Amino acid sequence: QKEVEQNSGPLSVPEGAIASLNCTYSDRGSQSFFWYRQYSGKSPELIMSIYSNGDKEDGRFTAQLNKASQYVSLLIRDSQPSDSATYLCAVRSNAGNMLTFGGGTRLMVKP
Amino acid sequence: DVKVTQSSRYLVKRTGEKVFLECVQDMDHENMFWYRQDPGLGLRLIYFSYDVKMKEKGDIPEGYSVSREKKERFSLILESASTNQTSMYLCASTLSQASNQPQHFGDGTRLSIL
Repeated sequence: QKEVEQNSGPLSVPEGAIASLNCTYSDRGSQSFFWYRQYSGKSPELIMSIYSNGDKEDGRFTAQLNKASQYVSLLIRDSQPSDSATYLCAVRSNAGNMLTFGGGTRLMVKP
Repeated sequence: DVKVTQSSRYLVKRTGEKVFLECVQDMDHENMFWYRQDPGLGLRLIYFSYDVKMKEKGDIPEGYSVSREKKERFSLILESASTNQTSMYLCASTLSQASNQPQHFGDGTRLSIL
């Protein structure tokens, strides 16, 4: 059973701070990693993808991947109240075309 | 931009009814997926399809079937709706089977079975 684990939260950070969201996965064959943001009552929206070890930056978002530790994280700099949402980590191995999703971490950014 | 369209945002049906949820994508994507999302259980894959007339079971296919007669359309069918199928249903698609392809989601259908 392939598993993707996230702390459900809520993770509460003040406006302007760095929010750090973490995800671990069990399948060592995993090759592609995605972060989705989901606002309450809405569908998931892709915000970052990462495929190689190291950091990938896009605006205020940085994804970090460590395949040896089976760990992927998402950093949000200068957090805004509009970043308040649930963040889903998704992982795919080369063995199949399916994504395995974590349960999501709820982030609350307080003004 | 990828556009995945689900036919209904909200749907209310009765126990025992046959229910059809429709999903259409406009980007010539090969692969399409149906998930349900429930509080505390996350996203769970019901069925997926990687080509016209092809389908594969996901993690929770019981009580559901699917149809993919055309590349752009993937239908989820509840053969005889039950109250435990009340949920948010999400359709997604990807361009190809390449592992770096993300899934793009529709807006979701919130289905209530009374």
